[in-house]
Amino acid sequence: DSGVTQTPKHLITATGQRVTLRCSPRSGDLSVYWYQQSLDQGLQFLIQYYNGEERAKGNILERFSAQQFPDLHSELNLSSLELGDSALYFCASSVATSGVPQDTQYFGPGTRLTVL
Amino acid sequence: ILNVEQSPQSLHVQEGDSTNFTCSFPSSNFYALHWYRWETAKSPEALFVMTLNGDEKKKGRISATLNTKEGYSYLYIKGSQPEDSATYLCAPRDDYKLSFGAGTTVTVRA
Repeated sequence: DSGVTQTPKHLITATGQRVTLRCSPRSGDLSVYWYQQSLDQGLQFLIQYYNGEERAKGNILERFSAQQFPDLHSELNLSSLELGDSALYFCASSVATSGVPQDTQYFGPGTRLTVL
Repeated sequence: ILNVEQSPQSLHVQEGDSTNFTCSFPSSNFYALHWYRWETAKSPEALFVMTLNGDEKKKGRISATLNTKEGYSYLYIKGSQPEDSATYLCAPRDDYKLSFGAGTTVTVRA
């Protein structure tokens, strides 16, 4: 158990819908990262927040957005869902942000999203 | 996002045998390299963080080396056991984010 929690574990929804995935980082971690694992694709970095502020963006679609709240939990919002958005979404957390090469990211159990 | 290649994509090894596999990454502007182990139905688990050229890290029967000048890292498993079966991911880090390779899936046969 990494200490990172994600809810829900599974989510099944229809095309065109909107969903929210939630992540709580390890105690003491200020950074939260979101990754997407699609079929036949590696882990793709989506976005990072540090202490409430967006710090880095990857290949995140405009239909997706995220935020980190004052209590440091984060939410990833996915809207106008398409079949291709079906994937495993991981959240990870770490203590620091930039400037610390050894900063290790600890992964949560993931949310499996199925869009029908 | 950095271009990362891992080879082979998969390998099968007999219990007790040793094995190794490669991660290649851009050598320019190197910052750090992370290795993760990912078992089926679980989440990726951090193994090593390597930052210096020539670094060697060890955790039990698993070890890793790093060559930042030529842009590669090897991961070694000595005396493989069935519990070593997993996908091993490498991820070079730029200042903020990790760029994951597709992984090497290791299956240890009893």
